[in-house]
Amino acid sequence: GQQVMQIPQYQHVQEGEDFTTYCNSSTTLSNIQWYKQRPGGHPVFLIQLVKSGEVKKQKRLTFQFGEAKKNSSLHITATQTTDVGTYFCAGQWGGGNKLTFGTGTQLKVEL
Amino acid sequence: DAGITQSPRHKVTETGTPVTLRCHQTENHRYMYWYRQDPGHGLRLIHYSYGVKDTDKGEVSDGYSVSRSKTEDFLLTLESATSSQTSVYFCAISRQVDSYNEQFFGPGTRLTVL
Repeated sequence: GQQVMQIPQYQHVQEGEDFTTYCNSSTTLSNIQWYKQRPGGHPVFLIQLVKSGEVKKQKRLTFQFGEAKKNSSLHITATQTTDVGTYFCAGQWGGGNKLTFGTGTQLKVEL
Repeated sequence: DAGITQSPRHKVTETGTPVTLRCHQTENHRYMYWYRQDPGHGLRLIHYSYGVKDTDKGEVSDGYSVSRSKTEDFLLTLESATSSQTSVYFCAISRQVDSYNEQFFGPGTRLTVL
């Protein structure tokens, strides 16, 4: 089946450092979504990217969709302790309502 | 949070016993999903439903069955639980917001099979 590869699996940063997680598909995606899961919680939707080369920002978070629609990234500028959690990308191919999730990147922020 | 509840929230059972997990939603969403979450594997789709009595398999459906006799309830059954089914199980619904569909997740059920 179709898969979305996500790296890194873990990332420890000092508060104030930047953080980036990457997702890659071997085939062209129709769209990609990003979710955040706080420790002990459930995944929460952050954003959806649809267009080739699309860039969206939410405060310190920047989401990008590659030109070929096969890769995506989430960049956090100047991390804070509130950013702690696991970030998942989730891809869709074609229509329908199914998502395939990446394995997630667990972010830890140290003071 | 789209009115999604899961029950039970925690369960410990023994190998070979049947287990049923319940997902309940209050907003009449058409699509519902069951995922399992394991370290290093992220979220993997078990089964999903696109309407009453309409269900389909996900990528890890072996050993699981589902039923949806009412719009608001989606049941996941482990006919004979195995230790490999120890996991955190999340139910989700798909809700259209503007031009896209986002998934809302329930709080999860932590299942331990001894």
